[in-house]
Amino acid sequence: EAQVTQNPRYLITVTGKKLTVTCSQNMNHEYMSWYRQDPGLGLRQIYYSMNVEVTDKGDVPEGYKVSRKEKRNFPLILESPSPNQTSLYFCASSGSGGRNQPQHFGDGTRLSIL
Amino acid sequence: EDKVVQSPLSLVVHEGDTVTLNCSYEVTNFRSLLWYKQEKKAPTFLFMLTSSGIEKKSGRLSSILDKKELFSILNITATQTGDSAVYLCAVNNNNDMRFGAGTRLTVKP
Repeated sequence: EAQVTQNPRYLITVTGKKLTVTCSQNMNHEYMSWYRQDPGLGLRQIYYSMNVEVTDKGDVPEGYKVSRKEKRNFPLILESPSPNQTSLYFCASSGSGGRNQPQHFGDGTRLSIL
Repeated sequence: EDKVVQSPLSLVVHEGDTVTLNCSYEVTNFRSLLWYKQEKKAPTFLFMLTSSGIEKKSGRLSSILDKKELFSILNITATQTGDSAVYLCAVNNNNDMRFGAGTRLTVKP
């Protein structure tokens, strides 16, 4: 089954404790992206990747890191999480470098930073 | 600055009603406009629009784009309780995707 898989689905942690949210897709997609979703603000893009070893900042990259060492994986790293990073996070992927292709979304990761 | 604005933010209707959701945008290097439906979890794709005036249709849902006036509408006819969701509009401007805040639709029995 074609899917985007995120882990964990839920996480409660404390300020400053490094965490990684994994994202994996099995559709051989080139384009992958991370979003955060907050009430009233919709989905805002954090980082995106056009292909392996190519990553770019989205609208709200501060406090986040990503890497794209393999085509299927695109982890999101919070080196020193803070409470304002409490949010619902979605990973998404699409083919053809993201241009004119609908994105497939994972089921989301709800992070709470205390 | 690029932006996507959806209206209304929230809408409550009864089953059988017809609804129209709006999405206006100001985006450089426009490529396409997409509509997604989000229930409890991940957004799911509904339509992608690239050309003005061509209606996309899927069952009771339809959508159209006006690239001159920079907006799109999503119509849902004969609404059902299963249509209750947040509807997201997104504009693709080459490499990234900019989303509106969404319209929360509630369909009452």
